[in-house]
Amino acid sequence: GNSVTQMEGPVTLSEEAFLTINCTYTATGYPSLFWYVQYPGEGLQLLLKATKADDKGSNKGFEATYRKETTSFHLEKGSVQVSDSAVYFCALLNYGGSQGNLIFGKGTKLSVKP
Amino acid sequence: DAGVIQSPRHEVTEMGQEVTLRCKPISGHDYLFWYRQTMMRGLELLIYFNNNVPIDDSGMPEDRFSAKMPNASFSTLKIQPSEPRDSAVYFCASSYQVRNEQFFGPGTRLTVL
Repeated sequence: GNSVTQMEGPVTLSEEAFLTINCTYTATGYPSLFWYVQYPGEGLQLLLKATKADDKGSNKGFEATYRKETTSFHLEKGSVQVSDSAVYFCALLNYGGSQGNLIFGKGTKLSVKP
Repeated sequence: DAGVIQSPRHEVTEMGQEVTLRCKPISGHDYLFWYRQTMMRGLELLIYFNNNVPIDDSGMPEDRFSAKMPNASFSTLKIQPSEPRDSAVYFCASSYQVRNEQFFGPGTRLTVL
């Protein structure tokens, strides 16, 4: 079946530090991959996505590359800010036939200290 | 666009009571999803609709849960009777076509005492 595994949190960093949140997946076929972010008290927002192998998604300084050979989609940011503190979710979408739902990882809580 | 609208934002009820959560998707979106978020289980898909028709309800925990989408602009998730283990944040999301971004509502925080 389809599944997503992402690193356990919480992750605590100082402002301007480098961020990596690991995400690996198991899926049949060719899924699309996503990173969603959830700020306190809010719903999830799409951060970035990639729809095929070797695609790089990027947004707000965050990047992730769809690596089919390692079944990974790690999230990176070169210099985090306090405002990046949130929970980050990796997800895959394997559509076709009657499928159409996102499969989410458990989420990784990021805290950035000034 | 107002985004996905959910009501109520918070609901506190007693065990055994009926609870109804409401969702208005983004206009023009043809897919609607209901998710539940808990600390223990993370984000779980409960059910989703395409053009108001339920496509997959395999995530609905048990018969106490039911969902309807009477028209393209409104959906409900009902729990009857509610139990303390139903306490969670319930999210509604919508998308235009299955492979596009899902837009999430702000969620309903349900507490069953």
